[in-house]
Amino acid sequence: EIVMTQSPGTLSVSPGERATLSCRASQSVGSNLAWYQQKPGQAPRLLMYGASTRATGLPARFSGTGSGTDFTLTISSLQSEDFAVYYCQQYSNWPLTFGGGTKVEIK
Amino acid sequence: QVQLVESGGGVVQPGGSLRLSCAASEFTFSSYGMHWVRQTPGKGLEWVAFTRYDGSSKFYAESVKGRFTISRDNSKNTLYLEMSSLRADDTAVYYCAKDGVDWGWGNWFDPWGQGTLVTVSS
Repeated sequence: EIVMTQSPGTLSVSPGERATLSCRASQSVGSNLAWYQQKPGQAPRLLMYGASTRATGLPARFSGTGSGTDFTLTISSLQSEDFAVYYCQQYSNWPLTFGGGTKVEIK
Repeated sequence: QVQLVESGGGVVQPGGSLRLSCAASEFTFSSYGMHWVRQTPGKGLEWVAFTRYDGSSKFYAESVKGRFTISRDNSKNTLYLEMSSLRADDTAVYYCAKDGVDWGWGNWFDPWGQGTLVTVSS
């Protein structure tokens, strides 16, 4: 099973600042990586797939980079609606696996 | 807009059974693989099961293999998860999710339903 590790666990950021979230895979997943955002009481929402392809309607302030084992989700200028928990997920191998999440909170 | 609506959650005793349903609309259900994913406060998000668009192939997490069965009825646009021999650690919110690629073999999840809570407790 591919283990996905996200860091940091919690990121405190001021509105308007940049947020950089990391996701590491225990073995190469190529570009088979997705990112999700989850707000309290809601289901996760797809942000990114193929490591760097934005989901339909996602603002350009979100960007994804990486391949192999190391991936980054960057939010260039945090808006109030971006404070949430973010998860990465690999779909290179069965079983499909998620990282433990990074909570982005208001500083 | 794609809609996925889960139902069937509730409280069940350890060792009991439950069937979850997921009603799909506003997309060609028979063209997409479908997943069940669960979420617990302690263990985060865990993929549970996947069925290909035609039900010809199914995959399961080790933690549920032999106890859970995923199925679909394309004539009713409905996905199912039959759960048996339930344990306390199966307690979670269960989401159904559409696979990201038509005719695909398991990719990203988009979108997700609103979830249904399953509580296994005596």
